[in-house]
Amino acid sequence: GIQVEQSPPDLILQEGANSTLRCNFSDSVNNLQWFHQNPWGQLINLFYIPSGTKQNGRLSATTVATERYSLLYISSSQTTDSGVYFCAPGKGSARQLTFGSGTQLTVLP
Amino acid sequence: GAGVSQTPSNKVTEKGKYVELRCDPISGHTALYWYRQSLGQGPEFLIYFQGTGAADDSGLPNDRFFAVRPEGSVSTLKIQRTERGDSAMYLCASSPGGAGANVLTFGAGSRLTVL
Repeated sequence: GIQVEQSPPDLILQEGANSTLRCNFSDSVNNLQWFHQNPWGQLINLFYIPSGTKQNGRLSATTVATERYSLLYISSSQTTDSGVYFCAPGKGSARQLTFGSGTQLTVLP
Repeated sequence: GAGVSQTPSNKVTEKGKYVELRCDPISGHTALYWYRQSLGQGPEFLIYFQGTGAADDSGLPNDRFFAVRPEGSVSTLKIQRTERGDSAMYLCASSPGGAGANVLTFGAGSRLTVL
């Protein structure tokens, strides 16, 4: 199966700072999703981004499928951004997604 | 419903007991998925339904685990003779057909603790 490596594993930021989270994967993919898991365990889909760049408010994501990586940018971070960010690449349909181990983000007030 | 609903949110049981976890997907979503998440790890795929049938159950760890979706909507994950190693968060997700078929929406999960 696909190997997924997310970095950094842990990140602590002051409110207002910017950050970049990285996801490397071992094989070609045609499906990639980023999720945020809040401290209560709820997983929220942030982006479906098998290639290219998307933006949603303070968040944006870029996937370079040919080089097997994806980046998630968080600008002007807020305490509510805290939680775990998961990258999940896959071949084909959603059931073939492989989740990484996540980046634990803590935003301090 | 407006979102994916999972019940119970928490379940504590004793080793050897039988457990059922329920998932009510977003109305109209044809695909339903079960995942299991252990502490500090990402979710791992268990089983996928397209309509009423289990289209892919390759992630079920052993024959103590079984899932059904008899009417193509609500699904129940059933665990027999629970073991302490079954303790985890069980997540359900659904997705629509058509262009959105590959995008998952998750429920809040059912946290199972086996004592």
